[in-house]
Amino acid sequence: DTGVSQNPRHKITKRGQNVTFRCDPISEHNRLYWYRQTLGQGPEFLTYFQNEAQLEKSRLLSDRFSAERPKGSFSTLEIQRTEQGDSAMYLCASSRRDRSNYGYTFGSGTRLTVV
Amino acid sequence: TQLLEQSPQFLSIQEGENLTVYCNSSSVFSSLQWYRQEPGEGPVLLVTVVTGGEVKKLKRLTFQFGDARKDSSLHITAAQPGDTGLYLCAGAPHTGGFKTIFGAGTRLFVKA
Repeated sequence: DTGVSQNPRHKITKRGQNVTFRCDPISEHNRLYWYRQTLGQGPEFLTYFQNEAQLEKSRLLSDRFSAERPKGSFSTLEIQRTEQGDSAMYLCASSRRDRSNYGYTFGSGTRLTVV
Repeated sequence: TQLLEQSPQFLSIQEGENLTVYCNSSSVFSSLQWYRQEPGEGPVLLVTVVTGGEVKKLKRLTFQFGDARKDSSLHITAAQPGDTGLYLCAGAPHTGGFKTIFGAGTRLFVKA
């Protein structure tokens, strides 16, 4: 069990550029979640997948955000035309469907800074 | 609307002191989790409480789930500098679908 892996750990981008983050969950976990965390706040839910199906999206996920999990394994989160307000820590987590009420395993996150 | 309210927001204590942090809601939760997060890292799961009134102990940490499953507390005995971090409570409210929501956290600093 290598845990949840996120890449890159840090990303600095200019306003208006597109960025893509990758998450590799624990292999036997069929649920994958994306959260965003800003300074002084707890993580905010963005979206989650069960296998390759995206089952729920938050209203926080504007049209500029898209997430995929094409083969039910790794997932990508893309932000188009980044804005300074997108600066945050983007966290990925995974769980087994039958254990989803018992907590998640989080990755170390990707820290995005939009300048 | 913040469904999970954590208090205090910030706590600075001396090594060896005891402390309690709280997580409150007006919603019922099927379970609540407590996580600890260090700067620049993701949250790490400490415990899940499921049954109303349940008490769980993890070394010097004691977690309690309220009888009505709307609140929880975390008590740390004889705090150590290694306990420093952001403590987050989280859970999936009955009315919120499958997603887990988080409180804003209690930032604990234990001075040696």
